[in-house]
Amino acid sequence: RKEVEQDPGPFNVPEGATVAFNCTYSNSASQSFFWYRQDCRKEPKLLMSVYSSGNEDGRFTAQLNRASQYISLLIRDSKLSDSATYLCVVNILGGYQKVTFGIGTKLQVIP
Amino acid sequence: DAGITQSPRHKVTETGTPVTLRCHQTENHRYMYWYRQDPGHGLRLIHYSYGVKDTDKGEVSDGYSVSRSKTEDFLLTLESATSSQTSVYFCAISAGTGGYNEQFFGPGTRLTVL
Repeated sequence: RKEVEQDPGPFNVPEGATVAFNCTYSNSASQSFFWYRQDCRKEPKLLMSVYSSGNEDGRFTAQLNRASQYISLLIRDSKLSDSATYLCVVNILGGYQKVTFGIGTKLQVIP
Repeated sequence: DAGITQSPRHKVTETGTPVTLRCHQTENHRYMYWYRQDPGHGLRLIHYSYGVKDTDKGEVSDGYSVSRSKTEDFLLTLESATSSQTSVYFCAISAGTGGYNEQFFGPGTRLTVL
């Protein structure tokens, strides 16, 4: 089983739609979680950290479910500019802050 | 944006030649990382550094070496490039001071080994 699993998609959604991605992780010792956004041929950029109580940033909401070992990202009112690949990242805290990346979920928002 | 640069941004080289990629940061962060990204794979850690002259291997370190003689610079060397090392290479940095310790990425280097 992969340490971090994501559905690669693509998810094709119309503008204005709500879309949700899940990401499962295998190591119950995982301590911190992130969502990154990666545009085509660009570097990953931090979208948001995922806190135990869940957190929201504008149209984006992240949730953590430790019991089932998954995190989720909800995007409301999708914009064309949201089209990108969304990477799930899990950090098992250690001396060097090792993180594991999911393969990413591709989102295409359609006019 | 975090102050991270990578050089070169693009490189084409031939099998068997040595290649060195440079990552430079202006954030004075302790941790630096080299990743490669290939289709069908997530970002995979090659090597990382937790301080000047302190480095260790990641999951795909074979064929690569690194050096960190200054806080701001982290070099990745392919001693004898092979076609399987054709990839996009990303450098990342992290403060590592506790808490969530997000990583921030450089713009990447596209390497083609012919």
